[in-house]
Amino acid sequence: GAVVSQHPSRVICKSGTSVKIECRSLDFQATTMFWYRQFPKQSLMLMATSNEGSKATYEQGVEKDKFLINHASLTLSTLTVTSAHPEDSSFYICSARDRENRKLFFGSGTQLSVL
Amino acid sequence: GDSVTQMEGPVTLSEEACLTINCTYTATGYPSLFWYVQYPGEGLQLLLKATKADDKGSNKGFEATYRKETTSFHLEKGSVQVSDSAVYFCALSDRGNAGNMLTFGGGTRLMVKP
Repeated sequence: GAVVSQHPSRVICKSGTSVKIECRSLDFQATTMFWYRQFPKQSLMLMATSNEGSKATYEQGVEKDKFLINHASLTLSTLTVTSAHPEDSSFYICSARDRENRKLFFGSGTQLSVL
Repeated sequence: GDSVTQMEGPVTLSEEACLTINCTYTATGYPSLFWYVQYPGEGLQLLLKATKADDKGSNKGFEATYRKETTSFHLEKGSVQVSDSAVYFCALSDRGNAGNMLTFGGGTRLMVKP
């Protein structure tokens, strides 16, 4: 079946640094990708929707200058957490919508720990 | 807004035991309902879905029935296996298919012991 590769799976960084997370659709083209985050024992929450070639749409309460999303091609979207702080520590997961059949496929997630 | 509430885990069962993971939702419209499963080290996968009231989704021995009157979509399996150990997410979409934005529950970890 279709595969979405999310990298890295785990990252530990120092406070104040930036972290980039990649989400790639390996065998299909994705015009739309979604980014979610999950705090421990809480629901997955949609952060933003990215459409290839246009600006991402952010959910209310999500800082667009802090969570930079780039969807430069039909197979790649990146989420950059800028100037990370300990409160940004969370599980981030992406999903990609197949442009042919509109099915949704998920990456395996990235556990971010900010020290 | 829309929300999904599912029972907290972990749920620990012996092999061949019966499983029920509760899921209730609130939605303004007529959502479609989904169960996703995440096996260790893998991405989320769609397990089953139901798009209207009284529909029953089923896959791999798992079932869930869309109950509009109780706004529930409980996941059930009659006899679990060790290979069913995973995290299960209940989700809803208010646009009728899994290609649109989803609202997730918090996930329930299932551990099945031999």
